[in-house]
Amino acid sequence: NAGVTQTPKFRVLKTGQSMTLLCAQDMNHEYMYWYRQDPGMGLRLIHYSVGEGTTAKGEVPDGYNVSRLKKQNFLLGLESAAPSQTSVYFCASRGQGPYEQFFGPGTRLTVL
Amino acid sequence: QQQVKQSPQSLIVQKGGISIINCAYENTAFDYFPWYQQFPGKGPALLIAIRPDVSEKKEGRFTISFNKSAKQFSLHIMDSQPGDSATYFCAASSLTGTASKLTFGTGTRLQVTL
Repeated sequence: NAGVTQTPKFRVLKTGQSMTLLCAQDMNHEYMYWYRQDPGMGLRLIHYSVGEGTTAKGEVPDGYNVSRLKKQNFLLGLESAAPSQTSVYFCASRGQGPYEQFFGPGTRLTVL
Repeated sequence: QQQVKQSPQSLIVQKGGISIINCAYENTAFDYFPWYQQFPGKGPALLIAIRPDVSEKKEGRFTISFNKSAKQFSLHIMDSQPGDSATYFCAASSLTGTASKLTFGTGTRLQVTL
């Protein structure tokens, strides 16, 4: 039981490049979330999903897109990376009952 | 808009001392208040949580105190240990649709010295 995994762990992009971050969970959770963590700002919700095939905007969605084609996977895409998107990205998932969100280990992204 | 305000930003406590972190919220619709603990290079993990119908919850050395009228809650770590050195986030949940999104505070970096 791996829980929540994220790929890749580290990535360096140049401004304007695109990339996709993959989140996978093996707990059969309905809900999945993407956050970004910046110093002094806590964790801010980018996008979330309440089930396979659904997505919704969070607090800071601009510049990001997401897809949830399979229940176990939640992809975060950056179409044209900007230095302001330099951050640590966390994925989380939650089951139907408890409120607890389970977080992945994070992806550290640097945009030059 | 900062809906959950957390203080202090950093905290240094001697081993065996009490660590106290405070949070205040604005949205009265919040119905769940968890604390997450994050070690360097790791994702946050749930430490302890409380619902608004309870004024205090204790799990081992960790206690949440909740003041509904003041819209404040706090984390107390008794007998603080060097292994408690981590960043702590308070959060609050509002049931929007079925998502139960979490709104996080800005975090407190705790260092427990020997």
